Amino acid sequence: SQQGEEDPQALSIQEGENATMNCSYKTSINNLQWYRQNSGRGLVHLILIRSNEREKHSGRLRVTLDTSKKSSSLLITASRAADTASYFCATALSNTGGFKTIFGAGTRLFVKA
Amino acid sequence: NAGVMQNPRHLVRRRGQEARLRCSPMKGHSHVYWYRQLPEEGLKFMVYLQKENIIDESGMPKERFSAEFPKEGPSILRIQQVVRGDSAAYFCASSGGQSQETQYFGPGTRLLVL
Repeated sequence: SQQGEEDPQALSIQEGENATMNCSYKTSINNLQWYRQNSGRGLVHLILIRSNEREKHSGRLRVTLDTSKKSSSLLITASRAADTASYFCATALSNTGGFKTIFGAGTRLFVKA
Repeated sequence: NAGVMQNPRHLVRRRGQEARLRCSPMKGHSHVYWYRQLPEEGLKFMVYLQKENIIDESGMPKERFSAEFPKEGPSILRIQQVVRGDSAAYFCASSGGQSQETQYFGPGTRLLVL
């Protein structure tokens, strides 16, 4: 199956609550990235965590990486209605001068105002 | 610094016609990636190109699909003799410069085959 798989598939929370999304993958990776996609739009890069890193923060985002379990989580704190979007994890495999990136199916987050 | 540009944003074709999708990477980027996204699904890797070279086309269907990234001009994803199953959003991404790991995405081309 797909290299990166997110769960849950869909998540509905109230504004102000925290949202946690998980991603599992199968093979060794160079890095793992999280992207966001608003309906009908392109993807926006959120954060990259390398295979030798365990945790990374960016504003209200916190990403963890556990290479022994081949999993990552994305935490959005104090969610806002504007955070409503689909969130994808993507794993990068080093490949001939560049990186082949494999995306999961995404978690659809809905934040109710 | 303009982002990744894709055109057209929407494309309607009848079965059997050809579809040409264009992608201009960010300035200074020499790596281009094409992905396909079906409704409610994630992105499926299609092809990875550098200038004048196809590096990885493992995600491209064997027939009817081709991609190029010439020395001058945008990258082109070409679909010949389109079928209804080709209807999808096609996204282009580019990388390069200081961080080759991060891919920057264009707004996508939504192809509808009638």
